[in-house]
Amino acid sequence: AQSVTQLDSQVPVFEEAPVELRCNYSSSVSVYLFWYVQYPNQGLQLLLKYLSGSTLVKGINGFEAEFNKSQTSFHLRKPSVHISDTAEYFCAVKDSGAGSYQLTFGKGTKLSVIP
Amino acid sequence: EADIYQTPRYLVIGTGKKITLECSQTMGHDKMYWYQQDPGMELHLIHYSYGVNSTEKGDLSSESTVSRIRTEHFPLTLESARPSHTSQYLCASSVWANNEQFFGPGTRLTVL
Repeated sequence: AQSVTQLDSQVPVFEEAPVELRCNYSSSVSVYLFWYVQYPNQGLQLLLKYLSGSTLVKGINGFEAEFNKSQTSFHLRKPSVHISDTAEYFCAVKDSGAGSYQLTFGKGTKLSVIP
Repeated sequence: EADIYQTPRYLVIGTGKKITLECSQTMGHDKMYWYQQDPGMELHLIHYSYGVNSTEKGDLSSESTVSRIRTEHFPLTLESARPSHTSQYLCASSVWANNEQFFGPGTRLTVL
């Protein structure tokens, strides 16, 4: 079974500074990878996804992530954060095999942007 | 506008009550899911459905039950609520099992 590790539970960063949220997953089999964002009292919204192709994936709100198969990582980055980026971010992984339904989530990273 | 809806958004209820959490989607998705989310923890899948009259339990054991009589509707029921059921419940849907899931806003349940 897959497992997802988000190495930082909380990340404070100053406004306009760059940020990286780290995500590692356990299995080396072919996977699909996702980053979701959750604002207070809301559901999860998809930021970006990796299914195949280019290892650098661009998403909404200026975020991007890089898939590294050898390191089983999918770190999320943004070159300059805004106050509105304050939220909780979840990394998720899914085996790409047919019939696989399980989407495994990490515990989340709370990003706090300091004015 | 295509979307996924959950009602109620917040529910405070006493022990022993029967409750139903509603989830509806207007995207025509076949696949629907229920997750339980506690603070600082991963989302855990408690139920999923691949289509009408198809329901399965997820990886986290839950005393709740679900039904899928219509494609767009996937309600979750607790026959007798207990304080241990206090949590946030998120509903999601997807076109295929291998693709991204779209989430509703969640229901925050508190059982006293």
